Amino acid sequence: DIQMTQSPSSLSASVGDRVTITCRASQSISSYLNWYQQKPGKAPKLLIYAASSLQSGVPSRFSGSGSGTDFTLTISSLQPEDFATYYCQQSYSTPGTFGPGTKVDIK
Amino acid sequence: QVQLQESGPGLVKPSQTLSLTCTVSGGSISSGSDYWSWIRQPAGKGLEWIGRIYISGSTKNPSLKSRVTISVDTSKNQFSLRLSSVTAADTAVYYCARDRVTLEYDAFDIWGQGTAVTVSS
Repeated sequence: DIQMTQSPSSLSASVGDRVTITCRASQSISSYLNWYQQKPGKAPKLLIYAASSLQSGVPSRFSGSGSGTDFTLTISSLQPEDFATYYCQQSYSTPGTFGPGTKVDIK
Repeated sequence: QVQLQESGPGLVKPSQTLSLTCTVSGGSISSGSDYWSWIRQPAGKGLEWIGRIYISGSTKNPSLKSRVTISVDTSKNQFSLRLSSVTAADTAVYYCARDRVTLEYDAFDIWGQGTAVTVSS
């Protein structure tokens, strides 16, 4: 299985901050990398697919980049509704594996 | 718009079989470019893909493969999960999700709300 790691595991930030989360795959996954946002008690929500494509309806302050093994999710200006846990997921090979998550909370 | 809803028992005894159904509304489960997946999340932990089904077959996580059966009922627009020989380690929130697959990407773009399953005697 391809192992996914994320850093940091948690971070504290303020509204308006620029936030960057990193995801690394244990082998090259080309651009088969997705990002999800999950709020407590809710299902995950797709934010970014294919490493950098914004899912319909997702605010443009979210962006993704990277290819191969290293990827980033950036929130350009953190909003109150963005406090959540973020997961990356590789869909290059079966089983599609998720990263352990990055919890973003209020500073 | 497409919506998914999980249903099934919230409590299963150890060694028994967990059975869940996902009902798809607002679209056809037979759509050619869509697969249908099950994903689970133990409390306070991360996400684990269980397996998926499409019209021509299914794929399962090797770590669970021997215990997992995924089936589809196109007449009811539903797909189902059966997980046999459950233990406490199978206690989790179980999600069904649409797995949109193209040549360029493969992502879970629509999720059910999730259903909590506890394995306990």
